[in-house]
Amino acid sequence: DSGVTQTPKHLITATGQRVTLRCSPRSGDLSVYWYQQSLDQGLQFLIQYYNGEERAKGNILERFSAQQFPDLHSELNLSSLELGDSALYFCASSTSGRHTGELFFGEGSRLTVL
Amino acid sequence: DAKTTQPNSMESNEEEPVHLPCNHSTISGTDYIHWYRQLPSQGPEYVIHGLTSNVNNRMASLAIAEDRKSSTLILHRATLRDAAVYYCILRDGGGSNYKLTFGKGTLLTVNP
Repeated sequence: DSGVTQTPKHLITATGQRVTLRCSPRSGDLSVYWYQQSLDQGLQFLIQYYNGEERAKGNILERFSAQQFPDLHSELNLSSLELGDSALYFCASSTSGRHTGELFFGEGSRLTVL
Repeated sequence: DAKTTQPNSMESNEEEPVHLPCNHSTISGTDYIHWYRQLPSQGPEYVIHGLTSNVNNRMASLAIAEDRKSSTLILHRATLRDAAVYYCILRDGGGSNYKLTFGKGTLLTVNP
């Protein structure tokens, strides 16, 4: 158990819909990362937050957005869903986000878009 | 981000040592070498990291070449639970971009 909690574990929805994925980092971790893993793309970095502020942005679509709240939990919002958005979405946390910090990953949220 | 090159797959027998290679010829002086693994249906898991010197922990050892252009993750006695995809990643310790960029990794199969 990494200490990172992601909900929901599984989600099935239709094209055009909007979903919200939630992540609770390990106690005390200030940095949250979101990754997308699909069969053909592997693990793709989406976005990182540190203590409520966006720190780094990766291959995140404009239809996707994220935020980190004062209690440090984070939400990833996916809108206007397409079939290709079906993937595993992982959240990870670390103490500071610096090079010495290992990332602790949650078990992921599996999104299926029909 | 500096790139790493790993074999697509490797096979080992249970209870034998496993050496997983990684080439990173364009590594910069501030890049740390990180290894993560991903077991089936799970999120990635940190294994080990290092900068210049060899490193040991309870999970594995990391051997870093003197010129830092390659490294090897060593599992001293493979178990069936070690079957996973192993990712070798360079992480810039000197800048503000702290994200991990995952490649395709090495799929390790452990035979009983």
